[in-house]
Amino acid sequence: GDSVTQMEGPVTLSEEAFLTINCTYTATGYPSLFWYVQYPGEGLQLLLKATKADDKGSNKGFEATYRKETTSFHLEKGSVQVSDSAVYFCALNSGGSNYKLTFGKGTLLTVNP
Amino acid sequence: GAGVSQSPSNKVTEKGKDVELRCDPISGHTALYWYRQSLGQGLEFLIYFQGNSAPDKSGLPSDRFSAERTGGSVSTLTIQRTQQEDSAVYLCASSLGFAGPENEQFFGPGTRLTVL
Repeated sequence: GDSVTQMEGPVTLSEEAFLTINCTYTATGYPSLFWYVQYPGEGLQLLLKATKADDKGSNKGFEATYRKETTSFHLEKGSVQVSDSAVYFCALNSGGSNYKLTFGKGTLLTVNP
Repeated sequence: GAGVSQSPSNKVTEKGKDVELRCDPISGHTALYWYRQSLGQGLEFLIYFQGNSAPDKSGLPSDRFSAERTGGSVSTLTIQRTQQEDSAVYLCASSLGFAGPENEQFFGPGTRLTVL
């Protein structure tokens, strides 16, 4: 079945540091890939997505590229801010009978000033 | 516009009692999903509705769990004879149009269920 493996946290960085959160997946066919973010006390919200190989999703300075050859979708940001502190979830959707999102375990990011 | 709303936001119940959790999707969204988030299991898919139909109920963890959707809008997740392992945050999401793997799912704030 489908699965997502993402880098376990917690990750602690100083403001303006470079961020990478690794994500690899196993899926049938050609899934769509997502990064969702959960800020403290808030619900899950979509950060970015990519729907086919070599697509790059980007939003709020975050980027991730759909790499079919390595089955990866790593999240990167060049310069993190305190306001980026949150839990980040990598997810995939390969369609099928229920169009469900399959999530990784989540990575807690804390950015210190 | 209004997002996905869920009620109650918190529910504390005693083991063996039944609970009902409600989800109001974004107006016009035809696809609706239930997930649960727990420390041990992470985020797990429970069930999906297209309109009022749930074509695949295999994600429900046991026959104590059931869900329905009426009028292509509100959905209710019912847990009968609650157990302590049912304690989790139950999340509802909806998406526009017919479900597709590329569609963004918009999540509600969740219902935190605690079974004593």
